[in-house]
Amino acid sequence: GENVEQHPSTLSVQEGDSAVIKCTYSDSASNYFPWYKQELGKRPQLIIDIRSNVGEKKDQRIAVTLNKTAKHFSLHITETQPEDSAVYFCAASDSGGYQKVTFGTGTKLQVIP
Amino acid sequence: GAVVSQHPSWVICKSGTSVKIECRSLDFQATTMFWYRQFPKQSLMLMATSNEGSKATYEQGVEKDKFLINHASLTLSTLTVTSAHPEDSSFYICSARKPLAVPGTDTQYFGPGTRLTVL
Repeated sequence: GENVEQHPSTLSVQEGDSAVIKCTYSDSASNYFPWYKQELGKRPQLIIDIRSNVGEKKDQRIAVTLNKTAKHFSLHITETQPEDSAVYFCAASDSGGYQKVTFGTGTKLQVIP
Repeated sequence: GAVVSQHPSWVICKSGTSVKIECRSLDFQATTMFWYRQFPKQSLMLMATSNEGSKATYEQGVEKDKFLINHASLTLSTLTVTSAHPEDSSFYICSARKPLAVPGTDTQYFGPGTRLTVL
């Protein structure tokens, strides 16, 4: 099955700086890569996603890049704000009929005011 | 957007009892729903895939006789934790897959989660 690794596990940045989270996946058949933000005790919220036919996608301060050859993808948050503090999960979805999503191990991001 | 609800939001039960958790897609029909378990400070682990009108598909290591899943309609899936024990205490989250117009672009929407505490 799919295996998704995520780094770093914790990340502290000063407000206004950029944050980068990196993930690798194992199944070359995976074709959908969502990123989720989860606040304590809450549900994961989809913040951005990318499909395998695209190399980069941007939405305001958030961008995601995908390297299919190397099987890794990254989340970039620019001009970080305290409200960006949360746990971020990358995920990969297989191309099978159910489109199961496998989550990475998570990154706890702390933005220091 | 799409809305997925879960009930109850939290439950405390005695060891040995069974607990049922409901997952509903409120504004769309979901032929496929997923059940996840999340222990404190850990990631979401997929337990099973719930398919309307058929048996659920369980992930390796998940006991199907302990975690009963029923997906009786296109908007409701239930997870029953049978004979619950303290080690079953966790945050259980469902998600529902919303089909989109373009094949292969379905998006998953998560429920708010149910915190189960087994005493």
